[in-house]
Amino acid sequence: DAGVTQSPTHLIKTRGQQVTLRCSPKSGHDTVSWYQQALGQGPQFIFQYYEEEERQRGNFPDRFSGHQFPNYSSELNVNALLLGDSALYLCASSFKWTLYEQYFGPGTRLTVT
Amino acid sequence: DQQVKQNSPSLSVQEGRISILNCDYTNSMFDYFLWYKKYPAEGPTFLISISSIKDKNEDGRFTVFLNKSAKHLSLHIVPSQPGDSAVYFCAAMPGGGADGLTFGKGTHLIIQP
Repeated sequence: DAGVTQSPTHLIKTRGQQVTLRCSPKSGHDTVSWYQQALGQGPQFIFQYYEEEERQRGNFPDRFSGHQFPNYSSELNVNALLLGDSALYLCASSFKWTLYEQYFGPGTRLTVT
Repeated sequence: DQQVKQNSPSLSVQEGRISILNCDYTNSMFDYFLWYKKYPAEGPTFLISISSIKDKNEDGRFTVFLNKSAKHLSLHIVPSQPGDSAVYFCAAMPGGGADGLTFGKGTHLIIQP
């Protein structure tokens, strides 16, 4: 049973560019949440997708957008990258009715130069 | 304004003894509380959770205690083992999963041989 997978593992981008990160949820899970973890901090909630729609959103600007596909996989897009966007981006999956049990992927390390 | 606080950035415990990690929260709307363990270069691993209707939950060597009146929870690990050395995050969620998980900054647990 595959857990949550994310790609790519690492990514280096230049300020102003755009980036797309990908996530495949744990088998059977229908809800995907994205988090940003800066160095020395806990993960911060970006948004959550269920039934291909954004259901909840944390305190992040519109430069952060996402998508969920019919197979429940998801993408996180960040436009106009800033140096401060450098972080570990984590994807978590769960069932809609047990959101309190979220399983995380290994993350994508994004560096903006 | 941090809604979930882990006031000890690090904790050192001897192998075989009890490890106690603490967490305080401010938001009365939180209904579920979770502990995650994180190794470097990996995503957080779900350890144990507790809902606000309980005051204790056990799973093997891990026990979580919740004191709602004090808005405080703790994770007890007995006995502590070398493989328990990791960063531990406390997280909380309102009922219904709105707003995703809110994390503390983490406590680095070091188990000394």
